[in-house]
Amino acid sequence: QPVLTQSSSASASLGSSVKLSCTLSSGHITYIIAWHQQQSGKAPRFLMKVERSGSYSKGSGVPDRFSGSSSGTDRYLTISNLQSEDEADYYCETWDSDNRVFGGGTKLTVL
Amino acid sequence: EVQLLQSGGTLVQPGGSLRLSCAASGFTFNIYSMTWVRQGPGKGLEWVSSITDTGAHTYYADSVKGRFTIFRDNSENTLYLQMNSLRADDTALYYCAKLEGASTVWGQGTLVSVSS
Repeated sequence: QPVLTQSSSASASLGSSVKLSCTLSSGHITYIIAWHQQQSGKAPRFLMKVERSGSYSKGSGVPDRFSGSSSGTDRYLTISNLQSEDEADYYCETWDSDNRVFGGGTKLTVL
Repeated sequence: EVQLLQSGGTLVQPGGSLRLSCAASGFTFNIYSMTWVRQGPGKGLEWVSSITDTGAHTYYADSVKGRFTIFRDNSENTLYLQMNSLRADDTALYYCAKLEGASTVWGQGTLVSVSS
């Protein structure tokens, strides 16, 4: 089954941009992943799906500041013009025929 | 409004049993697979179990296989998780979810604490 690897933490300044990565295990380069945001004390919220091609599809209400991309086994979430409410944990997720897998999550701090 | 309303979490002793419920509204429940995900204290998201739209197929994480049972009542638009032989490491916030891309919905979560 696939394994997803994320950096445990990231930080960036208010108004700047940050690019979070999620790396698929070898042999799973074709997999689509989903990004979920979890603000402190809240349930997760779906942000977008990112495909191998780099195309992405966002959930309802997700600001234009959020975008996705892909390179090889890496899937990315880029947040532009960082706002204080973007400080959260970000999880990537993938799936195959009989299970789902989450990455360990990246804690984003907005300075 | 599309919504998943959860209930059933509580404090239970090790070895005990508990059933979680997840009531769906605002979408056609019986055409979607559904999933349980948990989050231990200070930890990340962990997939627990999934069930197909008709309930014909169920899938479990190794950590809960043989102890937990996922099932659904499509006539009541409700998803369940029956948890038996509970252990301290099952302590977590449990979320039900419809993980379907742009139409993904998460429940609000329900807390299960396993302690004597």
